[in-house]
Amino acid sequence: RKEVEQDPGPFNVPEGATVAFNCTYSNSASQSFFWYRQDCRKEPKLLMSVYSSGNEDGRFTAQLNRASQYISLLIRDSKLSDSATYLCVVTSDRGSTLGRLYFGRGTQLTVWP
Amino acid sequence: DTEVTQTPKHLVMGMTNKKSLKCEQHMGHRAMYWYKQKAKKPPELMFVYSYEKLSINESVPSRFSPECPNSSLLNLHLHALQPEDSALYLCASSQVPGDGNSPLHFGNGTRLTVT
Repeated sequence: RKEVEQDPGPFNVPEGATVAFNCTYSNSASQSFFWYRQDCRKEPKLLMSVYSSGNEDGRFTAQLNRASQYISLLIRDSKLSDSATYLCVVTSDRGSTLGRLYFGRGTQLTVWP
Repeated sequence: DTEVTQTPKHLVMGMTNKKSLKCEQHMGHRAMYWYKQKAKKPPELMFVYSYEKLSINESVPSRFSPECPNSSLLNLHLHALQPEDSALYLCASSQVPGDGNSPLHFGNGTRLTVT
């Protein structure tokens, strides 16, 4: 079983739509969670960290459900510029001193006018 | 603009060549990483340096040789690569090794083609 599983997508939505991505993780002891955004042929960039109480940054809302071991990302009022691949990232505490990060495969979003 | 700088941006090399990828950060981060990313796949961890010491090698073939000359620099030496090694090579850094709350900052990457 993979450490991190994501909705495969692609998601194609019109401007102004609300879209949600989910991501599940297998290690119940996972500590930290992030959403990264990656544009085509570019490097991943941190979109937001995900906190236990849920957090919001403008049109983006991230939530964590430890009991069900999933995190979500909600994008409201989608813009054309939101078109990208969204990567779910989870850290594990398997004794590694580095908090090794595990990436999901990514969910591709296309927002059309 | 990224605060992690990678050079070169593009590299084409033959299977008998020796080349090096370079990465630099001046954010005072103490963990630096090399990732490899193929098209439509997530980044795959290759190496991690923690306080300038190699702490993780994800069973990477010896034709890839990392080096961390100081806390700001990270190199990846390439020798006798194969065409299947063609990929985007991403350098990243994080503030504190071992702290999952310290997110990765990626460089722009080097797009490598092995002919």
